[in-house]
Amino acid sequence: QVQLVQSGTEVKKPGASVKVSCKVSGYTFNTYGIGWVRQAPGQGLQWMGWISAHNGAISYAQEFQDRVTMTTDTSTSTAYMELRSLASDDTAVYYCARATADFDHWGQGTLVTVSS
Amino acid sequence: QSVLTQPPSVSGAPGQRVTISCTGSSSNIGAGYDVHWYQQLPGTAPKLLIYANNNRPSGVPDRFSGSKSGTSASLAITGLQAEDEADYYCQSYDSSLSGSYVFGTGTKVVVL
Repeated sequence: QVQLVQSGTEVKKPGASVKVSCKVSGYTFNTYGIGWVRQAPGQGLQWMGWISAHNGAISYAQEFQDRVTMTTDTSTSTAYMELRSLASDDTAVYYCARATADFDHWGQGTLVTVSS
Repeated sequence: QSVLTQPPSVSGAPGQRVTISCTGSSSNIGAGYDVHWYQQLPGTAPKLLIYANNNRPSGVPDRFSGSKSGTSASLAITGLQAEDEADYYCQSYDSSLSGSYVFGTGTKVVVL
């Protein structure tokens, strides 16, 4: 069965960076894209970006354009999302999801807390 | 900032029918892009509920149905059950935002 397993909880100080991993199984990694979505406490879903695991094509949401990097490692079927210059309002659960036009399978989420 | 607008909450008694609207514009739903719906139970990751406007993934009860018309879409839940109490989000694509997936603002379904 399709599974996306994310790395664990992170606590970071303002100004730091965080890198979240998303290891997939149950399908051929390079036949789908991976999307990243975050959810701040009590808030809705916010799309951050998308990367093709086939050819590395990338699309970032404008609000994250300058400080996010998404990558994939086809040898380990793992996607990564790095967010830099963290601020308190980056505290959120970060999800990866298998992406086509929709997001049909999701990781369990990674809580990132930004606090001094 | 969400470009798809949903009502903050809808409620209904068990067995009733509720609908959730998702209002977009000419650069997303109105441009012909498909609408997808997700259910998020408390403390869990979202789950794909309806894809491509009106299709249910395997395992999703037929109590859930979707439709799309013009610049809007709707999710209907018939025979409402206590386990349907959750947050629901619509999602589409927006051509004005350089290749952007967009989510709705989210709707809390309350089972009375």
